[in-house]
Amino acid sequence: SAVISQKPSRDICQRGTSLTIQCQVDSQVTMMFWYRQQPGQSLTLIATANQGSEATYESGFVIDKFPISRPNLTFSTLTVSNMSPEDSSIYLCSVRGVVNTGELFFGEGSRLTVL
Amino acid sequence: LAKTTQPISMDSYEGQEVNITCSHNNIATNDYITWYQQFPSQGPRFIIQGYKTKVTNEVASLFIPADRKSSTLSLPRVSLSDTAVYYCLADSGGYQKVTFGTGTKLQVIP
Repeated sequence: SAVISQKPSRDICQRGTSLTIQCQVDSQVTMMFWYRQQPGQSLTLIATANQGSEATYESGFVIDKFPISRPNLTFSTLTVSNMSPEDSSIYLCSVRGVVNTGELFFGEGSRLTVL
Repeated sequence: LAKTTQPISMDSYEGQEVNITCSHNNIATNDYITWYQQFPSQGPRFIIQGYKTKVTNEVASLFIPADRKSSTLSLPRVSLSDTAVYYCLADSGGYQKVTFGTGTKLQVIP
């Protein structure tokens, strides 16, 4: 299993500002996934972050808006830049457990409200 | 990536068995069927995974027919605490990314 801690758990932000979300895992993992979940919606994959390389972004998400860092095998950050009310969502960090089972583990999420 | 289709919502009374069906017509040979449960204000949580036939654990059963184009999650004797969104995924594990479908919002009624 994997235990994931995310910070902050929630925040209220002003339009035009940026916020960095931290994701800490209790074990070393190769891949970390960042998802966004808008109110009442399913999860949408933002990007996949591998240690030592650039993150791979999904269609509709760009590095300038959602820069990601992955400095080591247990930690990653996602920054939501130049926020607007449309960025109000829950942002979730996820990793796989044992590779052969493929089970995903999630943090509790970071709920952002942009005013 | 195989696309999955599930009902948007379901209602059930407490104590009943609930079956949620997922369609995955284009599932790949190396994909497993995995179900997750999500409560409000929490991340999704793994429930059960299978490749074919039947899998059972302490939480649920998963039925996958031979053609693997669909699967059914069975929750025995649901309680109010089973009210959640249930997601069906076709996932090959390893280093593959995972995309989520719409999920099924299950409402358990007293």
